[in-house]
Amino acid sequence: EDKVVQSPLSLVVHEGDTVTLNCSYEVTNFRSLLWYKQEKKAPTFLFMLTSSGIEKKSGRLSSILDKKELFSILNITATQTGDSAVYLCAATNSGGSNYKLTFGKGTLLTVNP
Amino acid sequence: AAGVIQSPRHLIKEKRETATLKCYPIPRHDTVYWYQQGPGQDPQFLISFYEKMQSDKGSIPDRFSAQQFSDYHSELNMSSLELGDSALYFCASSFRTGHPEAFFGQGTRLTVV
Repeated sequence: EDKVVQSPLSLVVHEGDTVTLNCSYEVTNFRSLLWYKQEKKAPTFLFMLTSSGIEKKSGRLSSILDKKELFSILNITATQTGDSAVYLCAATNSGGSNYKLTFGKGTLLTVNP
Repeated sequence: AAGVIQSPRHLIKEKRETATLKCYPIPRHDTVYWYQQGPGQDPQFLISFYEKMQSDKGSIPDRFSAQQFSDYHSELNMSSLELGDSALYFCASSFRTGHPEAFFGQGTRLTVV
């Protein structure tokens, strides 16, 4: 059974801190790893990673994938209160008719002023 | 840019009633996914469609059915509703090949009373 595990489950930091969120996966016919930020409503897309070792950056957020060790990290530098959210990691597979996203349980990040 | 549109946004039904949720994917996206997210839970995959055919099935109860129509919109039909069906139902869409990142709609919040 495909599995995605995120850690930590919850994290509380002060504004300005740097955080690292972890995601490990075991997925048959792995294709890509996606990071989403979920506040009160729909998950919003952050990054898609398909190749090992290539960092993707968007402002203060960055992410990298290690396909050998089957994990990804999401870094947020100089955190702000607006970064408070649940961060979801999802792995996609491919091949035949099987195509879905398997989500981890998320990391709840709380950034205090 | 056009996003995934779901309707209705909120729905309150009584036990044993039937509900139909609709999803309109991003134009030219050929894959639609349905997810159920209970309070404090990660999204659970229900079912996906590629080019109007069911492509994968997750933890979807037998009381639920779904289909994708010729215009690529999808409907999730839920019958004999139970209290435990109360959740946020997300639809996401993507290209199956080339751009597998999935974008989510705002969700339909179903409350069964």
